[in-house]
Amino acid sequence: GQQLNQSPQSMFIQEGEDVSMNCTSSSIFNTWLWYKQEPGEGPVLLIALYKAGELTSNGRLTAQFGITRKDSFLNISASIPSDVGIYFCAGIHGSGNTPLVFGKGTRLSVIA
Amino acid sequence: DTGVSQDPRHKITKRGQNVTFRCDPISEHNRLYWYRQTLGQGPEFLTYFQNEAQLEKSRLLSDRFSAERPKGSFSTLEIQRTEQGDSAMYLCASSAGHEQYFGPGTRLTVT
Repeated sequence: GQQLNQSPQSMFIQEGEDVSMNCTSSSIFNTWLWYKQEPGEGPVLLIALYKAGELTSNGRLTAQFGITRKDSFLNISASIPSDVGIYFCAGIHGSGNTPLVFGKGTRLSVIA
Repeated sequence: DTGVSQDPRHKITKRGQNVTFRCDPISEHNRLYWYRQTLGQGPEFLTYFQNEAQLEKSRLLSDRFSAERPKGSFSTLEIQRTEQGDSAMYLCASSAGHEQYFGPGTRLTVT
């Protein structure tokens, strides 16, 4: 099935560093969501974006809805060990009734 | 805890057996979704309900898969005659709007 393109696939960073990851698509999305998943658990919603150009923060996390509506970005500032996990972007093409299309995830490792 | 719950969390079954999973959504969420996730991949959509009506099914959902939400609350996903390729994490999510909230998943292993 269709998936979004996430990059990087994985990253190893030092505690305290900032992190950037992105998600791109060849088609337009009307909503972007960012999730974090830890081993053996379901994805946990971090941030939701609804308008092109929108910039939204949740604590140390900041996400942006790309102006072309074909991409989105997630930044994590001052990373800490508990940020470890897999970060997924997900998009919705139509209204809120439609299923999510997911990327393959960015695996984040934080070295203390 | 008022989040999405799934049962069981883990299921090991032999090829050819039938399995059934249950999902209890967040109260008053009218939409319920089933996704499947394999190792190294993001979740992939299987089917979804608005109240008790099943509105969409993915091509991933073969004839061996069936889902129900009889009273518009909890949902069940049944897999008949399981195959090794059915081994995956089965995730349930619910929503009242755009934001979907996931349960912890049921990990199925078919031996």
